[in-house]
Parts: sequence; C-alpha cells; structure tokens
Amino acid sequence: NAGVTQTPKFQVLKTGQSMTLQCAQDMNHEYMSWYRQDPGMGLRLIHYSVGAGITDQGEVPNGYNVSRSTTEDFPLRLLSAAPSQTSVYFCASRRQGPGEQYFGPGTRLTVT
Amino acid sequence: EDQVTQSPEALRLQEGESSSLNCSYTVSGLRGLFWYRQDPGKGPEFLFTLYSAGEEKEKERLKATLTKKESFLHITAPKPEDSATYLCAVVDSSYKLIFGSGTRLLVRP
Repeated sequence: NAGVTQTPKFQVLKTGQSMTLQCAQDMNHEYMSWYRQDPGMGLRLIHYSVGAGITDQGEVPNGYNVSRSTTEDFPLRLLSAAPSQTSVYFCASRRQGPGEQYFGPGTRLTVT
Repeated sequence: EDQVTQSPEALRLQEGESSSLNCSYTVSGLRGLFWYRQDPGKGPEFLFTLYSAGEEKEKERLKATLTKKESFLHITAPKPEDSATYLCAVVDSSYKLIFGSGTRLLVRP
C-alpha cells in the first residue's frame, strides 16, 4: 500500500492564482481531511469528507474548496491564492469512527 | 470550546534522561486521544490511541497514559533518534480531530 499520497511536494504561487492540491489514498478509508500547519498554531482542519459525495467545513475553510467524487481522491482547491495561505498542507485519511488517522507527506505552499 | 494544550513547547534532554510531555484537554464527549510523532519535513506518524481514563499504551521507550483531564507521554532513557515534535490530538463528539501545537523534543548525545 502507498498509504496517503500528496502532490506536489512544493509549490510557489503568485497572489490571485488558483491551483489544486492532490490527495489520494489506497486504504479504502471513508474519512478524509485536509489540514494546514503553521508555526505555533498546530494542525488546523480546513475541510473533511465522510464519504464520496459528502464534504463539510472545518475550522479554517475560507478560500478553499473541496470535492469527493471517489473514495480514493480528495483534492483541495485554492480559488484565489493569498499570502495568508502560505503554509504546509497535509491530507489525512481513516476509517469511520475514532480510529487512527494516517497522514500524507505534505505540500509546502508559498504565496508571494 | 474544545481545546488541547501541550507543554512544554520545547524540551532538551541528555541521552538517557527520562522525562514526560503533557497534553491537557477540554472537550465535550471525548471519543479518543492520539499521540503522533512528526519529523521535520514529514507528515505526522501515528503512535498511540487512548480511549478511557486509566488506559496506558507502550512502545519501545514511549509510554502514554490518560486521565479525565490530561495525557502524558513518558520517555524513558531517550536516544537522539527520539528527537522530533510530538503532537497530541483529541477526537471530539463529531469525530473531528483537534490538535495541540506540539512539543519539540531534542535529545543530545
């Protein structure tokens, strides 16, 4: 199993540009989520999905969009990048319920 | 409001010097508490899950314990390879994970 994979690993955007961060998992997990990690702030939940076709907002959803058309994929879209979105983004997945969550390797995004 | 607080923010130990990391939490309807290890430039790696007060889990030099208000990660005779950031997270009543900001551990040889 590859586990949770994310692409790209690094990305630099100009303010106002849009892009999609890719996330895929091969563990047949129902629950997938996106976090951002900033120094001193810990991991903050952006959006999550409890299954294909179902998404919901987390703690910091503004400026981001998600969709879940398949169990395996959960892309995160930045609609109009802003410098405040400079961060490291992690995708995660787990089975339904309170079990352990597995994280991808992260995408480091810089918005200039 | 659900909250997770970790202390200390940073900890420096000599190799072999045992210590503990603290995770205190306030959450309505705790569904579980997790400990993760994170190395620089990598995603968090799962260590332990604790579900009820009094529960303990062990893995090599690490031991996690849970009370109704806090959890401790005890590190016995640490080695330099234990240097990492340790993250604590709780599962709230809607099954979302709430993370603390972590403890950066440095173990010097």
